[in-house]
Amino acid sequence: AQKVTQTQTSISVVEKTTVTMDCVYETRDSSYFLFWYKQTASGEIVFLIRQDSYKKENATVGHYSLNFQKPKSSIGLIITATQIEDSAVYFCAMRGLSSGSWQLIFGSGTQLTVMP
Amino acid sequence: EAAVTQSPRNKVAVTGGKVTLSCNQTNNHNNMYWYRQDTGHGLRLIHYSYGAGSTEKGDIPDGYKASRPSQENFSLILELATPSQTSVYFCASGGPGSAETLYFGSGTRLTVL
Repeated sequence: AQKVTQTQTSISVVEKTTVTMDCVYETRDSSYFLFWYKQTASGEIVFLIRQDSYKKENATVGHYSLNFQKPKSSIGLIITATQIEDSAVYFCAMRGLSSGSWQLIFGSGTQLTVMP
Repeated sequence: EAAVTQSPRNKVAVTGGKVTLSCNQTNNHNNMYWYRQDTGHGLRLIHYSYGAGSTEKGDIPDGYKASRPSQENFSLILELATPSQTSVYFCASGGPGSAETLYFGSGTRLTVL
């Protein structure tokens, strides 16, 4: 069975610093996709960034980047130069390709608070 | 602009009553999903669909039915609502391909008394 685990329930950082949020996953699939989504205080959920398992290069989008450590089944989200508006809940998610299943499995989320 | 719209935004239902949550997407995506969000559980998949006329069970389908009458519309039906189904429900669309990005609606807060 596939599983995504986010052990950090909440993190607080000071504005303009760098934060890393952890995520580990379990899958038997040889190919899979890893995603990070952000849920704002209003409840809106938006896609941030994706890592394809067959790519060695870490994905980067704006001030979001990933630390993909395949041997450790780990996909950390790094936010550099944090801003107040980065305060949100961040979800890690995975989609494997086994058995034709397209289900996206989410972790339980990490609440990030960015303080001035 | 492509969008996923859910209705209603808030719903209060009585135990044993029937509840229908509606979702409409203008993304022209084949795939649509219903998730529920509860504290400590993140987003859990209830039902999903690959296209008009198809519905598939997700991880927690018990007590829920789904209907996909068209490409644009996907409904979640609670035939006999129970208090344990009090939650926030999100609809999403996605496609094509396995690397699809999901686009979420704004959510429906359902309270079953």
